[in-house]
Amino acid sequence: GQQLNQSPQSMFIQEGEDVSMNCTSSSIFNTWLWYKQDPGEGPVLLIALYKAGELTSNGRLTAQFGITRKDSFLNISASIPSDVGIYFCAGRKRNSGNTPLVFGKGTRLSVIA
Amino acid sequence: GAGVSQTPSNKVTEKGKYVELRCDPISGHTALYWYRQSLGQGPEFLIYFQGTGAADDSGLPNDRFFAVRPEGSVSTLKIQRTERGDSAVYLCASSLIAPLNRDASYEQYFGPGTRLTVT
Repeated sequence: GQQLNQSPQSMFIQEGEDVSMNCTSSSIFNTWLWYKQDPGEGPVLLIALYKAGELTSNGRLTAQFGITRKDSFLNISASIPSDVGIYFCAGRKRNSGNTPLVFGKGTRLSVIA
Repeated sequence: GAGVSQTPSNKVTEKGKYVELRCDPISGHTALYWYRQSLGQGPEFLIYFQGTGAADDSGLPNDRFFAVRPEGSVSTLKIQRTERGDSAVYLCASSLIAPLNRDASYEQYFGPGTRLTVT
């Protein structure tokens, strides 16, 4: 099935560094979401974006909804060991209703203390 | 409050057997979704319920897969004649029915998943 293109696939960073990852699509999405998944757990919602150009923060996390509606990025500032995990972007074609999400393949983040 | 729960957490079965996976959504969440996550991949949509009825089952890979939600709460995903390729983590999510101007409180909340291994 269709999946969003996430990059990078994996990252190894030093504690305290900033992190940036992005997600692109060949088609328009009207909702962009960022989830984090820890081993043995389900994805946990971090940030939700509903308008093109929207920039939203959640603590050390900042995400933007691209103005073309075909991309989004997630930044993590001053990384800490508990940031380790797999970060997924997800998109929804329509803003209204409860249509299912399309996910990327994830970015695996490793933080070296 | 309690989140989405899924049972069993792990299931090992032999090729050709029948399995049932259960999802208990967050209380009050009318919408319920099943996704499948293969190793190294993101979740892929299988089926979505609004209340008791399947609103969208376009993600079910074939007729060996079936899901029910008879009372609009707990859902069961049923897989007949399992194949080794069915091995994956099966995730369930639930949500409120979203209004026109939604916010994050209407998004999908995921359970921990059931890891299915077909030998």
